[in-house]
Amino acid sequence: AQSVTQPDIHITVSEGASLELRCNYSYGATPYLFWYVQSPGQGLQLLLKYFSGDTLVQGIKGFEAEFKRSQSSFNLRKPSVHWSDAAEYFCAVGPSGGYQKVTFGTGTKLQVIP
Amino acid sequence: KAGVTQTPRYLIKTRGQQVTLSCSPISGHRSVSWYQQTPGQGLQFLFEYFSETQRNKGNFPGRFSGRQFSNSRSEMNVSTLELGDSALYLCASSHPGQGYRSYNEQFFGPGTRLTVL
Repeated sequence: AQSVTQPDIHITVSEGASLELRCNYSYGATPYLFWYVQSPGQGLQLLLKYFSGDTLVQGIKGFEAEFKRSQSSFNLRKPSVHWSDAAEYFCAVGPSGGYQKVTFGTGTKLQVIP
Repeated sequence: KAGVTQTPRYLIKTRGQQVTLSCSPISGHRSVSWYQQTPGQGLQFLFEYFSETQRNKGNFPGRFSGRQFSNSRSEMNVSTLELGDSALYLCASSHPGQGYRSYNEQFFGPGTRLTVL
């Protein structure tokens, strides 16, 4: 069965520092991979996605992620964090069990300190 | 283009009652999926509807059901509510994809926060 692991439940970084959020997946074939962000009380916003091709993917808000098949990882990075980046981040893999079903990780809550 | 809308945004019910949540997809999107988000279980897939037919289903009891109308709007219903049903229910819409292994980007609504007392 497909699964996604986000080993860090909480991460605290200083504003202006770099950020890396980890994501490992288990999938029987070439996966579609996603990173979503959720602000408090809000739905999910797609930051970036990997379907195929270039393994370094650029997203919105200055985020990027790198697909590493050998490590089954899809880590999210940002060179300089802004206070507005404080939110919860979810890695996801799909299709998971067919069609539009996606399997999500448990999320990483990002706190940004001044 | 308007995004995915969900109504109501907040709902308070008591155990044993039933509830219906509504989702209007982005115009032109014919696939609608529902997810339950709780602190303990995270985001879990409930079901997906396309062309008024449920074509995928997660591991939830039969108390959770849904339907889709000809205009692609979808509703989900939870009967005999339990305390554990308290959650944020998210709806996502997309173009349907061409097959079982085909996938199109999903766009999520803001969710309905259900509290069961």
